[in-house]
Parts: sequence; C-alpha cells; structure tokens
Amino acid sequence: DAKTTQPNSMESNEEEPVHLPCNHSTISGTDYIHWYRQLPSQGPEYVIHGLTSNVNNRMASLAIAEDRKSSTLILHRATLRDAAVYYCILGNSGNTPLVFGKGTRLSVIA
Amino acid sequence: GAGVSQSPSNKVTEKGKDVELRCDPISGHTALYWYRQSLGQGLEFLIYFQGNSAPDKSGLPSDRFSAERTGGSVSTLTIQRTQQEDSAVYLCASSFRTPNYGYTFGSGTRLTVV
Repeated sequence: DAKTTQPNSMESNEEEPVHLPCNHSTISGTDYIHWYRQLPSQGPEYVIHGLTSNVNNRMASLAIAEDRKSSTLILHRATLRDAAVYYCILGNSGNTPLVFGKGTRLSVIA
Repeated sequence: GAGVSQSPSNKVTEKGKDVELRCDPISGHTALYWYRQSLGQGLEFLIYFQGNSAPDKSGLPSDRFSAERTGGSVSTLTIQRTQQEDSAVYLCASSFRTPNYGYTFGSGTRLTVV
C-alpha cells in the first residue's frame, strides 16, 4: 500500500490559517490524495481530494506539490470546531478501500 | 436516506454472546465499507461490499466475524462468541461506486464486551 507520513500533532490559534502537511513519496501516477477529518466522538468526514491540480472547496484547499510527493491541506481560518484528527490517505482510481493511518491531531487555541 | 445510519448506537454484551450490527447506507451508494476503531487508535479496515458482493474480506480479524449485504442496501456485521478485544466503535461508510466519490460515514456503533 502507498503510505503517507503526517506529524502526530499540530497546534493553531483561532482565526489563523493552518497548513497541515503530508508526505507521500511513493505515490503512483494513478493515486488520488484524500483528506478526511474526525471530530471528537464522531465518524470521519470527507474534506477534500485531488490528483494533480490544487483543489478548493468550502471547507479547505489542497495544495499538491509538482512532483506529487507531498501535499498540504489548508484551512484558511481555523475555528474551535476545526479541532480534529486529520487523515491524509492515498487511494487508487479503482475500488480499493481507503487505508487510514494515525493522522494529525489538530488543536485550536482560542 | 440523507445519511448513513447505524444501529444500535451503543451495545453492551456479555463475553461469548453473538451480536449483529446494522448499517443503512445512502440510497444509491453501491459501495459499503466496515471499519472499526479501538479506543485511541486509528481506523482498521474490516470488509468492503460492491453491490451485494464482498470482493475484499481481507480485514476481518477472525472467522468469528462475518458480514452480508442484501438488496444492494442494508448490511449486517455479525460477531460470534464475542471477546473483550472486540470492544470498539464499528464504523460503516458508503460511497457512490468507488472511494474517489468520497466516503460518508455513519456515527458508529460502540460495542462493549463485558
């Protein structure tokens, strides 16, 4: 399985941008980069995903390095509700289920 | 339905008993996934359905675990002769065809084996 590496934890101040890094040096050409987050006592929720180009949606932005060996999830203005575990996952274009790692635990300070 | 529904939300059972956990996916989602999450741990993949077929059962931890899906909709995860190490939150997710359409997770079933 293609693997990702994320910091165990990060801290951010409220209302400031947050950049969550992910390394995936063994990514293959057909692997998508997925981001999910898990708020306390809830199931994970989809955040964003992309293949090569940067992606934006109402929740976040995904910046993908030109060589695709790393990516960054950007939360433009962190709120207390963004405190969660953020998972960066590689998924191929087929049916293979996503494999969740340990993720990055993001703390947001008021 | 509007989201993925799991029942029961909590289940306490005695060691050695059988339990059934139910997942009702989003209407029209052909793919359904079961994961479990032990306290403070990451998600562990159990089994995946495409329609009523289970092409990937690789994650089932033992032959005490089985799952089925009927009518391309509701799925049931059955754990026979439960053990204390089976205690975890069991999460179900569904997606339209493949993971690249995005997973929607249910709220999970918290199973406690005493």
